[in-house]
Amino acid sequence: GAGVSQSPSNKVTEKGKDVELRCDPISGHTALYWYRQRLGQGLEFLIYFQGNSAPDKSGLPSDRFSAERTGESVSTLTIQRTQQEDSAVYLCASSSLGGQLNSPLHFGNGTRLTVT
Amino acid sequence: GNSVTQMEGPVTLSEEAFLTINCTYTATGYPSLFWYVQYPGEGLQLLLKATKADDKGSNKGFEATYRKETTSFHLEKGSVQVSDSAVYFCALSGASGGSYIPTFGRGTSLIVHP
Repeated sequence: GAGVSQSPSNKVTEKGKDVELRCDPISGHTALYWYRQRLGQGLEFLIYFQGNSAPDKSGLPSDRFSAERTGESVSTLTIQRTQQEDSAVYLCASSSLGGQLNSPLHFGNGTRLTVT
Repeated sequence: GNSVTQMEGPVTLSEEAFLTINCTYTATGYPSLFWYVQYPGEGLQLLLKATKADDKGSNKGFEATYRKETTSFHLEKGSVQVSDSAVYFCALSGASGGSYIPTFGRGTSLIVHP
């Protein structure tokens, strides 16, 4: 079946512009996660959704970052007034057993964001 | 908080060599442990997992044993192939404020030469 889909795959934007990143999880997966991966770094947790609510948004680095999820499906991550340090690969993952100890994550291919 | 430490890469091996990628973790309680693999141009995918102490996860010839006494989950393969070239991520899922948010290591790049 279809996996996790992210769009766009690449985004180049000018400093100060807003960007919107989209994630389509696997159908029926209730849990959705956003991570960020800077060059040479590990995966940095940003936010977790269970259904349409976000019980854990502790990883969002500043108030320029926000995310929403609708219909227990698509999620968008919005970065306002982008800065060069926002350049990274943004990964989305979904899971059928969200927030549970043993549930593996299914990842999309990521969006590579470059802020010039 | 929870954390995962992996050996630095890249790891470069010849085909049929033995592979070990070290992973140690810090967590409260009893986390589940995972290895994910990212092949070139693809997303991360689950390779194997272990959910309790002394469990061995295995898949595609790779193995890792959950060692609580040494807080380790080292990845091993007896004979690597060129097609195993990828980035490998160790991860844990442990309690964090009422839910289980997976924590990942930095990833270790493996390059296998013919």
